[in-house]
Amino acid sequence: EPEVTQTPSHQVTQMGQEVILRCVPISNHLYFYWYRQILGQKVEFLVSFYNNEISEKSEIFDDQFSVERPDGSNFTLKIRSTKLEDSAMYFCASKRDPGTDTQYFGPGTRLTVL
Amino acid sequence: GESVGLHLPTLSVQEGDNSIINCAYSNSASDYFIWYKQESGKGPQFIIDIRSNMDKRQGQRVTVLLNKTVKHLSLQIAATQPGDSAVYFCAEKGGAGDSSYKLIFGSGTRLLVRP
Repeated sequence: EPEVTQTPSHQVTQMGQEVILRCVPISNHLYFYWYRQILGQKVEFLVSFYNNEISEKSEIFDDQFSVERPDGSNFTLKIRSTKLEDSAMYFCASKRDPGTDTQYFGPGTRLTVL
Repeated sequence: GESVGLHLPTLSVQEGDNSIINCAYSNSASDYFIWYKQESGKGPQFIIDIRSNMDKRQGQRVTVLLNKTVKHLSLQIAATQPGDSAVYFCAEKGGAGDSSYKLIFGSGTRLLVRP
């Protein structure tokens, strides 16, 4: 069964450094998302992406964040200058097409900012 | 605002019993709802979904009930098994009718299954 994959599973970085989190959505899906989950809290929407552009972004997704689909398979989240409060699990999700609503999530990347 | 270090409500059930997990949603205009299961260290796993034109939907051992009058959603798990132990999240479809919608998650409920 196809699934969303994410790398790395765990990323440790120093405050102020740039990180890139990578996702490979399900191959025939057209809509892509990033969410995050701070330890012990609910899952929060960051950004949605369709047709090579951002569809919607949350207040969390400030100028330090960017997303990119560099090729036909990868979807990346970049944090330009990490802060301590960026420490969280980051989940990528994908959705097939406008006629479906179900989003499928990857296993997540745990980001630890020291 | 959000509470830091939110304490999850916990439901403890005996193996073989039925479980009922409840969720209240906020937007009366939401037309799609979904339940996810999250095991420790893993991403949310799709369980079952329901549209607002239905009030009940059944899957394998799971049933979702939707009460739009009181904006309430429940997940029923029949014959709960140890492998059902996880955190369960409900989510509603956000956005304003655009097909590229976001999911708005609830706080989650931890289900513990006693052997």
